[in-house]
Amino acid sequence: QLQLQESGPGLVKPSETLSLTCTVSGGSISSSSYYWGWIRQAPGKGLEWIGSIYYSGDTYYNPSLESRVTIFVDTSENQFSLKLSSVTAADTAVYHCARSGITSCYADWGQGTLVTVSS
Amino acid sequence: EIVLTQSPGTLSLSPGERATLSCRASQSVSRSYLAWYQKKPGQAPRLLIYGASSRATGIPDRFSGSGSGTDFTLTISRLEPEDFAVYYCQQYGSSPLTFGGGTKVEIK
Repeated sequence: QLQLQESGPGLVKPSETLSLTCTVSGGSISSSSYYWGWIRQAPGKGLEWIGSIYYSGDTYYNPSLESRVTIFVDTSENQFSLKLSSVTAADTAVYHCARSGITSCYADWGQGTLVTVSS
Repeated sequence: EIVLTQSPGTLSLSPGERATLSCRASQSVSRSYLAWYQKKPGQAPRLLIYGASSRATGIPDRFSGSGSGTDFTLTISRLEPEDFAVYYCQQYGSSPLTFGGGTKVEIK
């Protein structure tokens, strides 16, 4: 059974970089059949796709965040990570990691982790 | 970018009633790559429907999806107590992937 678990600081100061990691268990991040993604939900708001990565390192980002986002994969640790730079209060959200098939939607999700941007 | 508009914003219904949720896209969704998710507070989104009309594994048959092009519908034939939640549509046919703003199904 695939499990995805987000981890990282729950509090980040404005202008700093948010860093989160998603640990994958019950499946290999090196599989050629899947993309690995990050999605967030700000308080009281809807879901927002941040970006996705393939095991090869190919990345796809939401243009609205692209200038501040980096997603990378660590196949040796079976993890993938998100970095979001120059954060503001608008980046306060629950961040979910998830898995999709090739040209598919997200069938598997992590529970999510709340990141608050505040001084 | 494909903008998805969900309506209504809130649906107030009683258990046993039928729920009809709409998702309209600003342009045609490629190959009907349209999904529906159920979201409850503090929980991960749950995939209900993919490819506009295919139920995901383990999803009860009271959930059904239909539509193509720019107009899609999620129908819950008879609401169970556990179905009261927020529902999101998502298109995954073109990048960036986008979600609708959600429809809240609440108990009347």
